[in-house]
Amino acid sequence: EPEVTQTPSHQVTQMGQEVILRCVPISNHLYFYWYRQILGQKVEFLVSFYNNEISEKSEIFDDQFSVERPDGSNFTLKIRSTKLEDSAMYFCASSDGPGVVSPLHFGNGTRLTVT
Amino acid sequence: GESVGLHLPTLSVQEGDNSIINCAYSNSASDYFIWYKQESGKGPQFIIDIRSNMDKRQGQRVTVLLNKTVKHLSLQIAATQPGDSAVYFCAESMNRDDKIIFGKGTRLHILP
Repeated sequence: EPEVTQTPSHQVTQMGQEVILRCVPISNHLYFYWYRQILGQKVEFLVSFYNNEISEKSEIFDDQFSVERPDGSNFTLKIRSTKLEDSAMYFCASSDGPGVVSPLHFGNGTRLTVT
Repeated sequence: GESVGLHLPTLSVQEGDNSIINCAYSNSASDYFIWYKQESGKGPQFIIDIRSNMDKRQGQRVTVLLNKTVKHLSLQIAATQPGDSAVYFCAESMNRDDKIIFGKGTRLHILP
């Protein structure tokens, strides 16, 4: 079964540094998402992306965050200047329809640790 | 506002018994409700969804019940197996095209 893959599985960075989290969505999917999960807490929506632009973003997704689909296969999340509170699991997801039209397929996440 | 939450953080169930995981939501305007399963070290996995115009939907070994009167959602797992051990999240969406908002999870622990 096709999978969403995320790299790296664990990223450690110093506060103030830029990080790029990478995702390869399922190949025929058109809708892409980033969620994050702070340890032991609920999964929080960050941003949705379709047709090479952001469809919706949450309050968490401020100017320090950006997303890009640089080629036909990758979908990246960049945090420009990381803060301690950015430490979390970041999940990429994709689907072939918006919202609940088709189930979201999640990757296994990147654990970001900001020190 | 948008708020989906759970009554209990941990549920322990004997293997073979049925599990019932509960969820309370506060946004009466939500139209879709979804259950996800998250195994250790993995991302959430879709289990089943239900639209607000339904009160029950069945899948393979799982049933979702929706009570809009009291804004309550539950996931029933029949004949719980060790592989059902995971954190279960309920989630909601305002409409079919809208983003999915997750609630807090319930950890399901299977007793041998």
